[in-house]
Amino acid sequence: KAGVTQTPRYLIKTRGQQVTLSCSPISGHRSVSWYQQTPGQGLQFLFEYFSETQRNKGNFPGRFSGRQFSNSRSEMNVSTLELGDSALYLCASSGMTGGSEKLFFGSGTQLSVL
Amino acid sequence: GESVGLHLPTLSVQEGDNSIINCAYSNSASDYFIWYKQESGKGPQFIIDIRSNMDKRQGQRVTVLLNKTVKHLSLQIAATQPGDSAVYFCAENIGNAGNMLTFGGGTRLMVKP
Repeated sequence: KAGVTQTPRYLIKTRGQQVTLSCSPISGHRSVSWYQQTPGQGLQFLFEYFSETQRNKGNFPGRFSGRQFSNSRSEMNVSTLELGDSALYLCASSGMTGGSEKLFFGSGTQLSVL
Repeated sequence: GESVGLHLPTLSVQEGDNSIINCAYSNSASDYFIWYKQESGKGPQFIIDIRSNMDKRQGQRVTVLLNKTVKHLSLQIAATQPGDSAVYFCAENIGNAGNMLTFGGGTRLMVKP
């Protein structure tokens, strides 16, 4: 079974631009979560989608948004990029419906904002 | 767990020794806990999990201990190998909150050959 796939692997953007990151979950998994990882703040939860609906949202500004498609693939978007948005963005999927189950992570998209 | 910022605690062990990595979690309502291993350039990799109705769970060369009284979690790695060198994170989840994990700041494990 293929793992969680994230594209692109690396991105370089400038302040003020917007960016879209893509995530394909493990086949059959319906829950997709996004996390931001930085050296200063560690791993922080952004949001979770399940069956195309946002089920949970972390404490991030509205510039961060996401969506999930009917095939469970997910995208996250960051608008009006700031220098502090430079981070590793990780996607994780889970096969269980009720939550509180192990998450499988992709390798992430490394975003650099200049 | 709370993020410890730029400086990760480091545990240095000799190959073949046992390693113990500790984690203090923050929410007494958390009922599911996971340990992840992250190598450079990769995403976190699942190691072992435990639910709050248990206090110990064993896997292959790994054991997780949960002490709900003091909100403490530990990961024990037996016969540590160079391939175990990585950053280890504990994570907690509240049962009715979907898959929303709160991660600890991480511990770097260095295995000396």
